[in-house]
Amino acid sequence: GNSVTQMQGQVTLSEEEFLFINCTYSTTGYPTLFWYVQYPGEGPQLLLKVTTANNKGSSRGFEATYDKGTTSFHLQKASVQESDSAVYYCVLGGTGGYKVVFGSGTRLLVSP
Amino acid sequence: DPKIIQKPKYLVAVTGSEKILICEQYLGHNAMYWYRQSAKKPLEFMFSYSYQKLMDNQTASSRFQPQSSKKNHLDLQITALKPDDSATYFCASSQGGTGKAEQFFGPGTRLTVL
Repeated sequence: GNSVTQMQGQVTLSEEEFLFINCTYSTTGYPTLFWYVQYPGEGPQLLLKVTTANNKGSSRGFEATYDKGTTSFHLQKASVQESDSAVYYCVLGGTGGYKVVFGSGTRLLVSP
Repeated sequence: DPKIIQKPKYLVAVTGSEKILICEQYLGHNAMYWYRQSAKKPLEFMFSYSYQKLMDNQTASSRFQPQSSKKNHLDLQITALKPDDSATYFCASSQGGTGKAEQFFGPGTRLTVL
């Protein structure tokens, strides 16, 4: 079945440090991949989306590259800010149905 | 103006009772979803609807029943409530539901079952 793996439960950084959040997926075909961000007390919101057509997505300084060879979709940011503190979800779009699969989430804590 | 309304924001219930969580979206989307998020746990997909028809159900218990009276409504009825049902329930919607569409989430209803 479809699955998404985020091995890092929590990442702690200081401001201006480099962020890397690991995500790997398992599915058949070439699904659309997403990163969602959830701030405290809110619902998740889309951060960026990548399809097989464009391979790389970026938004608000965050970047993710769709790597079909390694089935990975890691999230990166060159310099984090305290306001980036949130939970980040790697999400696998359904290849035929309506269900998407959320990873377990990575909590990012950025200290000033 | 909020595009997805969930009511109530907070809900306290006693074990064995029944509650209905309300969700309305004003984005003109045809697909709607319910998710559950328990404390310290990841988001868990429950149901998806498209044009008021059930598309996916990943909830094992029949105590959870979605109800769609209008295209932009998808309420969630929960019967025989248990303390383990305590969680924040998120409603979401998208235009199209093939897994390629961005989902927009509501602010959630935090349910506590005593």
